[in-house]
This record gives sequence, C-alpha cells and structure tokens, in this order.
Amino acid sequence: AQSVTQPDIHITVSEGASLELRCNYSYGATPYLFWYVQSPGQGLQLLLKYFSGDTLVQGIKGFEAEFKRSQSSFNLRKPSVHWSDAAEYFCAVGARGNDMRFGAGTRLTVKP
Amino acid sequence: DTEVTQTPKHLVMGMTNKKSLKCEQHMGHRAMYWYKQKAKKPPELMFVYSYEKLSINESVPSRFSPECPNSSLLNLHLHALQPEDSALYLCASSHIRLAGGPHQALNEQFFGPGTRLTVL
Repeated sequence: AQSVTQPDIHITVSEGASLELRCNYSYGATPYLFWYVQSPGQGLQLLLKYFSGDTLVQGIKGFEAEFKRSQSSFNLRKPSVHWSDAAEYFCAVGARGNDMRFGAGTRLTVKP
Repeated sequence: DTEVTQTPKHLVMGMTNKKSLKCEQHMGHRAMYWYKQKAKKPPELMFVYSYEKLSINESVPSRFSPECPNSSLLNLHLHALQPEDSALYLCASSHIRLAGGPHQALNEQFFGPGTRLTVL
C-alpha cells in the first residue's frame, strides 16, 4: 500500500526566507502526488499536483515542488515566505482507485 | 462552480442524539469522500462513494452511516456517538480515475470547509 512520510512536524522560518518542506513516499508504481495546505479550522486547499511529465511542478501562491524518483521525494519549496503562509501542510499520495493517503503534516510558523 | 459545500459549520450533539452532516458539489464529480480529522492530525479516510455506490468503508463504526442520494449530495448520519468522535469532518469530491485512463480522469480531491463536531 502507498504511504507518505513528512519528517518535519514543525518548521519555523522568518518572513522573506526560503522554505522547503520534505515529503517521502512509498509506492510500487508511478505515484500521483499532491501538496495540500490547511489553515486552522478550514478545509484543505490543493497547492499543486504531480502525475507525470516535467518533474518540477508549479502551484498556486508561489509554491513549487520537485519529484525525484531516485529519492522517492516530492519536496515543496517557496523562495520567499509570507506571514499568510503559516498553516499546516500535507503531502499526499494517490494510488489505484480513488484512494489517497496523507502524511502526518508539517506545521509552518512564520516569524515576523 | 468549483466548490464543495458542507453544512452545518458547527454541530454540538449529545450521545443520544441523531444528526446528519451534508455535503454538496456541482462539479460533475462521481466520487465523494468522508474524512475525519482530529486536532493536529491528518485527515483519515472513512468512506468513498463511486457512482453513488459505497466503494470503500474503512472499518468505520456503524454509528456513522453514509448516504449518497444522488451524484451531487453526500450525507453522513450520526447516531449514538461517543465524545471521542468529536472532530472536524471533511467532505471531498473528485473525478473517478480509471485504470489506464487519460490523465484527465484524476483523483485530485476537492475539499469542503468541514463540519466541526462536538459530542458531549
């Protein structure tokens, strides 16, 4: 079965600094990979997704992610973080059928 | 319309009450999902409906009873809940991805804002 690991439970960055959130997946075939963001008490919003093709994926709000098959990783990046980016970030992997599994999440705090 | 709506936003119920959560989407998605999310945890899949039929039940207790009356609506009926059932309940919908199908048939899921449930 597919699974996702987000090694960092909590990350703090200063506003304007760059950001990288790590995600490692486990799946036997080509995975469908997603990054979602969740603000407190809200639903999940899709930031970006990877299915095939170019391994560098651009998303909303200035986020990008790079799929690296050799490392089984799909790390999320942003060159300059804004205070409004403070939220919980979930990496997810989709497999056959409509099954999707989420990582444990990384909570991002942004310092002024 | 690219929105999934959920009602109510908040619900407080006693352990003997019967209540229902509602979810609606008009994106033509034929897969709909219920997730349960406890504080500081990822969403946990509860049920999946495909073409209005229950396709996945992740061993959810029978006090949770899902219903999909049509392709746009998804309900979750609640009865005799326990305090540990208090959580954020999220609904999602997606197209159905067919094995070997085109990439347009994706399982990118669109989430509603959730219902915050408190069981007293």
